Amino acid sequence: AQRVTQPEKLLSVFKGAPVELKCNYSYSGSPELFWYVQYSRQRLQLLLRHISRESIKGFTADLNKGETSFHLKKPFAQEEDSAMYYCALKGSSNTGKLIFGQGTTLQVKP
Amino acid sequence: EADIYQTPRYLVIGTGKKITLECSQTMGHDKMYWYQQDPGMELHLIHYSYGVNSTEKGDLSSESTVSRIRTEHFPLTLESARPSHTSQYLCASSRPGQGAYEQYFGPGTRLTVT
Repeated sequence: AQRVTQPEKLLSVFKGAPVELKCNYSYSGSPELFWYVQYSRQRLQLLLRHISRESIKGFTADLNKGETSFHLKKPFAQEEDSAMYYCALKGSSNTGKLIFGQGTTLQVKP
Repeated sequence: EADIYQTPRYLVIGTGKKITLECSQTMGHDKMYWYQQDPGMELHLIHYSYGVNSTEKGDLSSESTVSRIRTEHFPLTLESARPSHTSQYLCASSRPGQGAYEQYFGPGTRLTVT
């Protein structure tokens, strides 16, 4: 079964501390994973995708097939990073369907 | 400006009423989606469309129905609203091909059925 698990509903860190938002997936095949973010009073939007191997707003995410994980990391959190973060997995068919995790609220305290 | 719109943003309605949630996009995208999201929970896909006259049910069973008569318009209808339909409904769209996985979301409609 295809599934995305984000074990933490809330992650609270101080400004300047490292951040790691956990994402584990279940997928038989070659997965494609994404992180979406929703800032307060804004729409849900794509943050990054693993195939691009990009760093966006200082965030990176590495696909670890052995651990079936796609954790989102940032070395030094900023207050403006406070938001809801969703990990998403591309569905098995080429339809554009995404399977979302439960989401993690990141709270960066001053 | 290219965007995706949802109306109404908030709706409080009584049980048994018929409602239509509107979603329109001016980005020329062929794929469109409806998600249902309860507070603090994951998004569940309830409907999607590849293009005009093409609609499919999503992973979460829903009593709602959708139509896609025009590329830019993807309304969702509940024939008889019930309190169990209370939720947030998000509409999204995406480009064809690999761009399909970058989904553009609307602002959402928060529905409350009393």
